[in-house]
Amino acid sequence: QLVESGGGVVQPGTSLRLSCTASGFTFSYNGIHWVRQAPGKGLEWVALIWNHGNDEEYEDSVRGRFTVSRDNSKNTAYLQMNSLRVEDTALYYCAREGIPGGYGLDVWGPGTTVTVSS
Amino acid sequence: EVVLTQSPGTLSLSPGERATLSCRASQSLGNSYLAWYQQKPGQAPRLLIYGASTRATGIPDRFSGSGSGTDFTLTISRLEPEDFAVYYCQQYDRSFRCSFGQGTKLEIK
Repeated sequence: QLVESGGGVVQPGTSLRLSCTASGFTFSYNGIHWVRQAPGKGLEWVALIWNHGNDEEYEDSVRGRFTVSRDNSKNTAYLQMNSLRVEDTALYYCAREGIPGGYGLDVWGPGTTVTVSS
Repeated sequence: EVVLTQSPGTLSLSPGERATLSCRASQSLGNSYLAWYQQKPGQAPRLLIYGASTRATGIPDRFSGSGSGTDFTLTISRLEPEDFAVYYCQQYDRSFRCSFGQGTKLEIK
C-alpha cells in the first residue's frame, strides 16, 4: 500500500514537502506518480519519478516549482513543492506505476490535502 | 500533447443495464497505453483496465475495454449498484508522462 503525508494549509509563495511511504511490495521496482485532484474536479497528473530516481517527468504547470525524489532505503517518495499558488490547492495522491511501465497506476494512496490560501 | 475527451459527461442508467463510456484521443495512441479508472466519492481511483483491454487484478469480467488509435470504450455489461461512480481514462506519452480525461459520471437513473 501507499500512504501520503505532509499536507496542510499554507500561504501562496511558500513551500511544502509531501511524502509517500510504501509497504507490502519492493519499492525500488516501481516508478511513483503524483496525481492531484482539486475540489470537485477531475484527476490531474503532476509528476513521475522512476524506480532508481534517475529520471523524472513533470507536468508543465509545476515544472521548475515542484521536485520529485525518492529514498528507496526508506521506501519513501517525496514531492517538494515550492512557490505554491492558490491553484495548487488539491488532494494529492501518490500512485505506483505498474511493471514494466505503461500498464496503469495500479496502487494508490488515500491522498493528502494541500490548501494554498492567504 | 495528447488531449483525452470523454463522453458523455454524465450517463444515467439503471442497475442491470449496459453502460458504454467513450474516450477519444486528439492523436493516435500507437502503443494503446490507455487505462481506465473508477473513482467513488471520498476514495482514491482504482485501476480497472490497462493496455486498452486488459482487466487489472481482481476486476470483475463485466468490465471490458476496447479500442485502438484514437477511439476507446469502456463497457460495463450489467450494472451493479456499486458500479455507479466517476470513470476516467488515462494515457501515457513517450516519456510516460500521463494525462487523464475529464471523467464520466455514471449515475443511477
